[in-house]
Amino acid sequence: DAGITQSPRHKVTETGTPVTLRCHQTENHRYMYWYRQDPGHGLRLIHYSYGVKDTDKGEVSDGYSVSRSKTEDFLLTLESATSSQTSVYFCATLERGSETQYFGPGTRLLVL
Amino acid sequence: AQKVTQAQTEISVVEKEDVTLDCVYETRDTTYYLFWYKQPPSGELVFLIRRNSFDEQNEISGRYSWNFQKSTSSFNFTITASQVVDSAVYFCALRGSGTYKYIFGTGTRLKVLA
Repeated sequence: DAGITQSPRHKVTETGTPVTLRCHQTENHRYMYWYRQDPGHGLRLIHYSYGVKDTDKGEVSDGYSVSRSKTEDFLLTLESATSSQTSVYFCATLERGSETQYFGPGTRLLVL
Repeated sequence: AQKVTQAQTEISVVEKEDVTLDCVYETRDTTYYLFWYKQPPSGELVFLIRRNSFDEQNEISGRYSWNFQKSTSSFNFTITASQVVDSAVYFCALRGSGTYKYIFGTGTRLKVLA
């Protein structure tokens, strides 16, 4: 258990509104990730962070931005939500040494 | 480019049957890591195993076993004497040594029927 929480756990929003999802970890892990999970696609990387203020894009980064102002928090922002961003979003951290990712409980987002 | 293929979208078995979930990967890295995760109906992602590319020993953990074969770029997962609680979606994942990005397969949904 990597001590990862996500908030909110569920959210319904309307097209065009901004949305921010928060990931919080208590393990002081350097690397943090945001994925989305959709049927038929598995988990796809949106963005990841390799330190405070250091981030990089994943394979499905369009329409998303991230920020990491402190080690424990990694924020994912949908600047203007679209229906195609309806998904389940997972945050993960990387435990160095074991090189293993551990995941948060997920956030279910519905964009109407 | 890295890729993970889980060709089996869904598998149904009857309780106590053995079942193997296939995972085929592609990478140009000589050092890499392979993983299996379980996602039960409750939705969380549970880490099952990690395997380094330089360690080709197969591993057994209770009813679970993993067969890593570099010659065929496969990392298959077998559940022996399946149980209803094994019903879940199982993901295979890959990370090359030159990156911190993880690539996941599309998952295999396993249904174990009582």
